[in-house]
Amino acid sequence: DVKVTQSSRYLVKRTGEKVFLECVQDMDHENMFWYRQDPGLGLRLIYFSYDVKMKEKGDIPEGYSVSREKKERFSLILESASTNQTSMYLCATTTDRDRNHNEQFFGPGTRLTVL
Amino acid sequence: GDSVTQMEGPVTLSEEAFLTINCTYTATGYPSLFWYVQYPGEGLQLLLKATKADDKGSNKGFEATYRKETTSFHLEKGSVQVSDSAVYFCALSDLNSSNTGKLIFGQGTTLQVKP
Repeated sequence: DVKVTQSSRYLVKRTGEKVFLECVQDMDHENMFWYRQDPGLGLRLIYFSYDVKMKEKGDIPEGYSVSREKKERFSLILESASTNQTSMYLCATTTDRDRNHNEQFFGPGTRLTVL
Repeated sequence: GDSVTQMEGPVTLSEEAFLTINCTYTATGYPSLFWYVQYPGEGLQLLLKATKADDKGSNKGFEATYRKETTSFHLEKGSVQVSDSAVYFCALSDLNSSNTGKLIFGQGTTLQVKP
């Protein structure tokens, strides 16, 4: 079974802090994604990565950056947290073969509150 | 651009009732369609998928048929249980992004099943 883990289930930070959210997968998947989930808006893609040191912007990248130094780890960084970044953050992975028809495997999510 | 629209929730049903959650989409090309489920406190997991027109995806008593003529992928279950209480997301693969594996999600529909 694919296992996708996220470093924290709940996180509380203050405005202006730098925040790191970590995602680790154990199935050697090439592709990794970061989403945020907000009520009534579904999931929106922040960033994704196809390979080590590679990253591409999703639909809402402003205020975020990412890092992928190792294949199994994909980090989301909030350079200066703001209250409008309070949300549920979900990491997902998928294999490289036939990307458009493959399911994505999700981590349990990190609920971030910025005060 | 491509998009997914789900019926608004929450949907509240009694146990053993029939469930339909409507999902319609707009897309260019022939995307794959997915239903994901999110149980309380967890990440998303794939419930079922269909990769071409007229395909029926099924799992755990849930079914959905890829209807290209009506651009729909409605989720159905003949007899719901309390354990089906969750948030359900309809999604499609974003073919405009050149086989990136990106998914476009609907806003989610909360289902509550009462004993």
